[in-house]
Amino acid sequence: DAGVIQSPRHEVTEMGQEVTLRCKPISGHDYLFWYRQTMMRGLELLIYFNNNVPIDDSGMPEDRFSAKMPNASFSTLKIQPSEPRDSAVYFCASMTEYNEQFFGPGTRLTVL
Amino acid sequence: RKEVEQDPGPFNVPEGATVAFNCTYSNSASQSFFWYRQDCRKEPKLLMSVYSSGNEDGRFTAQLNRASQYISLLIRDSKLSDSATYLCVVMASGGYNKLIFGAGTRLAVHP
Repeated sequence: DAGVIQSPRHEVTEMGQEVTLRCKPISGHDYLFWYRQTMMRGLELLIYFNNNVPIDDSGMPEDRFSAKMPNASFSTLKIQPSEPRDSAVYFCASMTEYNEQFFGPGTRLTVL
Repeated sequence: RKEVEQDPGPFNVPEGATVAFNCTYSNSASQSFFWYRQDCRKEPKLLMSVYSSGNEDGRFTAQLNRASQYISLLIRDSKLSDSATYLCVVMASGGYNKLIFGAGTRLAVHP
């Protein structure tokens, strides 16, 4: 298995632009998580899905952030409009039935 | 109080040393516990799950003390390649399947 796949790996954009991050979870994993990591705040859970349904989005910072999971093999995290304070590494992870999470390589986002 | 607390370190140890990390958690109802490892500019990777009876994987030993609400990780015979940040992770209680990550303990193994 290729593991969790994320794209793009790096994204540099200007303030106000829309950013879309993509994730393909490991096949057979029913849970998908989106995290954000910064030096100041560490690893923060943004939202997670179970069987493509959003279960807890309490970590989503504000309305500028949205996430979807249209099917079991694909999820997106969108930021519109982006701001410099959104600069971070965004990780996607999928989870086994034994609660073991496997992370993707992350998307390093820089908003200028 | 944070839900999961760790000493941020860094722990600077020579090769071959034994080093131990502790982590405390606040929710006594937590049921699942893990140690993750994160290398610089990489994603966190599962190192090992922590079972009530304690468990060992090669040079790594994890222990759980429910009464005191702490988890430990012991690394024996440290290697240069063990240099990383070690994240203590607790699963939230109440039927939620989300993990609560500690801020991590940084380990630097030197020759």
